[in-house]
Amino acid sequence: GENVEQHPSTLSVQEGDSAVIKCTYSDSASNYFPWYKQELGKGPQLIIDIRSNVGEKKDQRIAVTLNKTAKHFSLHITETQPEDSAVYFCAASINGGSQGNLIFGKGTKLSVKP
Amino acid sequence: KAGVTQTPRYLIKTRGQQVTLSCSPISGHRSVSWYQQTPGQGLQFLFEYFSETQRNKGNFPGRFSGRQFSNSRSEMNVSTLELGDSALYLCASSLSGYGYTFGSGTRLTVV
Repeated sequence: GENVEQHPSTLSVQEGDSAVIKCTYSDSASNYFPWYKQELGKGPQLIIDIRSNVGEKKDQRIAVTLNKTAKHFSLHITETQPEDSAVYFCAASINGGSQGNLIFGKGTKLSVKP
Repeated sequence: KAGVTQTPRYLIKTRGQQVTLSCSPISGHRSVSWYQQTPGQGLQFLFEYFSETQRNKGNFPGRFSGRQFSNSRSEMNVSTLELGDSALYLCASSLSGYGYTFGSGTRLTVV
């Protein structure tokens, strides 16, 4: 079955710096890759997603890139702010996400220091 | 617009008991998924329902079951609770099958 590895497990940056989180997946049939942000005491919140027919997607300070050949995708956060501090999860799905079976990475705890 | 609502927020049960968790999806969303979140295993998919039918199931024992009602509300049940079932149980809903929105979860503690 699909396996998603996420690195690093923890990341500390200064406010204003960029943060990059990387994930690799094992099943070449995966075609949908969402990223979630989870704050303490809350459920994961979808921040951006990308489908396999797109190489890059951007939404304000957040961008995701996908390399299907290498089977890895990355989250880029620019101009980080203290409110970006949270745990970030990448995920992959072979059903385009349509049947809920997202396979998640183990998460990256991002700390943004003011 | 109301989000995904899960009840109760916290639950303490004894080993061997059974428990039922409830999830009300965003209005109009017909797909509901359930996940288990633990520090050791992370987020793991339990099952997904669409229009009252289970379309997909994760790798969990038969003690974990669920259902969906005609109004898209969903429940999951865990029978014969074990200590290892202690976790945050998350429900997520989607209109189209993409972009699932998660609730805040039910924190289950088994003692």
